[in-house]
Amino acid sequence: EAGVVQSPRYKIIEKKQPVAFWCNPISGHNTLYWYRQNLGQGPELLIRYENEEAVDDSQLPKDRFSAERLKGVDSTLKIQPAELGDSAVYLCASSRSPESYEQYFGPGTRLTVT
Amino acid sequence: GIQVEQSPPDLILQEGANSTLRCNFSDSVNNLQWFHQNPWGQLINLFYIPSGTKQNGRLSATTVATERYSLLYISSSQTTDSGVYFCAVGNFGNEKLTFGTGTRLTIIP
Repeated sequence: EAGVVQSPRYKIIEKKQPVAFWCNPISGHNTLYWYRQNLGQGPELLIRYENEEAVDDSQLPKDRFSAERLKGVDSTLKIQPAELGDSAVYLCASSRSPESYEQYFGPGTRLTVT
Repeated sequence: GIQVEQSPPDLILQEGANSTLRCNFSDSVNNLQWFHQNPWGQLINLFYIPSGTKQNGRLSATTVATERYSLLYISSSQTTDSGVYFCAVGNFGNEKLTFGTGTRLTIIP
């Protein structure tokens, strides 16, 4: 079974530019999560989807961040415009809740904003 | 929200040694996972263990939910065990994982 796929793996952009990250969850996993991991810290949730619906976006900075999950499978996370403080690793995870709450993570996208 | 504390923050061991990593959490949980983050940043699932004991090769884990802690045991350490170990928990009605600050393990040959 293929794991969670993310692209790109690395991205370097100048501040004020837009950027987008893509995630393909494990087949059959209805719940999808976007986390952000700052250097030296554990990941923190940005948004959680159950199928197509965003059910927890309380930690998403909505002035510059947006996300979508069309057809309940792939998801895209966008930042526009990017700021220096957005430099971090953006991780996507999926689970087959409520049957199992175990989350599986993709390799992440390392974003550097200069 | 739920608080997660991991100890020790750093651990340096000789190859072949055993280690115990601890995770304390502040509320009831229905999800507890241990991850190993390798030097390339990939979070690798070690255990899904909201309660009880599990073993997988040289690794084992125990969660005592009533006392709100979990332990990860690594025996006969190898250099490939180096990296950061995270404990993450989720509680009822909130599926997000709250991560601890991690334990950085360094195994010296």
